[in-house]
Amino acid sequence: EAQVTQNPRYLITVTGKKLTVTCSQNMNHEYMSWYRQDPGLGLRQIYYSMNVEVTDKGDVPEGYKVSRKEKRNFPLILESPSPNQTSLYFCASSRDREYSPLHFGNGTRLTVT
Amino acid sequence: GENVEQHPSTLSVQEGDSAVIKCTYSDSASNYFPWYKQELGKRPQLIIDIRSNVGEKKDQRIAVTLNKTAKHFSLHITETQPEDSAVYFCAAIPTGGGADGLTFGKGTHLIIQP
Repeated sequence: EAQVTQNPRYLITVTGKKLTVTCSQNMNHEYMSWYRQDPGLGLRQIYYSMNVEVTDKGDVPEGYKVSRKEKRNFPLILESPSPNQTSLYFCASSRDREYSPLHFGNGTRLTVT
Repeated sequence: GENVEQHPSTLSVQEGDSAVIKCTYSDSASNYFPWYKQELGKRPQLIIDIRSNVGEKKDQRIAVTLNKTAKHFSLHITETQPEDSAVYFCAAIPTGGGADGLTFGKGTHLIIQP
């Protein structure tokens, strides 16, 4: 089954404790991205990747890192999480950037206390 | 970068009536406009999309219209049913160069009243 898999689904952590949210897709998609979803603000892009070893900042990149060492994986790293990073995170992939629909993962609900 | 405005933020309609959600965008280079539906507790999923060389596209009870001159596009749902209750997001992306991803509107919470 074609899918985007995110883990974990739920995560509660404390301020400053490094964490990684994993994302993997099995569709051989070139384009991958991370979004955060907050009430009243919609979906905002954090980082994206056009292909292996090619990543760039989205609209809200502060406090996040990503890597794209393999085509299928695109982890999101929070080196020192803060409470304002409490949010619902979605990983997504598409065949290309421009005209292909995004396929979303099931989301990761992160709480930073 | 692109800026997408979406209205209304909440829309309540009687079951069987039509619903219309409107979006405007700022970047005239945008040429792809998808719509996503997000049911409660689930991920967004594409329901329909349109490219700038097309003015209207239909899929059963759902249609999208695009006015490139005015830079706005709309989602139309006819004969609404309870399962249409969800949050709907419009989005736009400049094509033909650049690297920015989809820019989403803030979403419309559609409530279908029985």
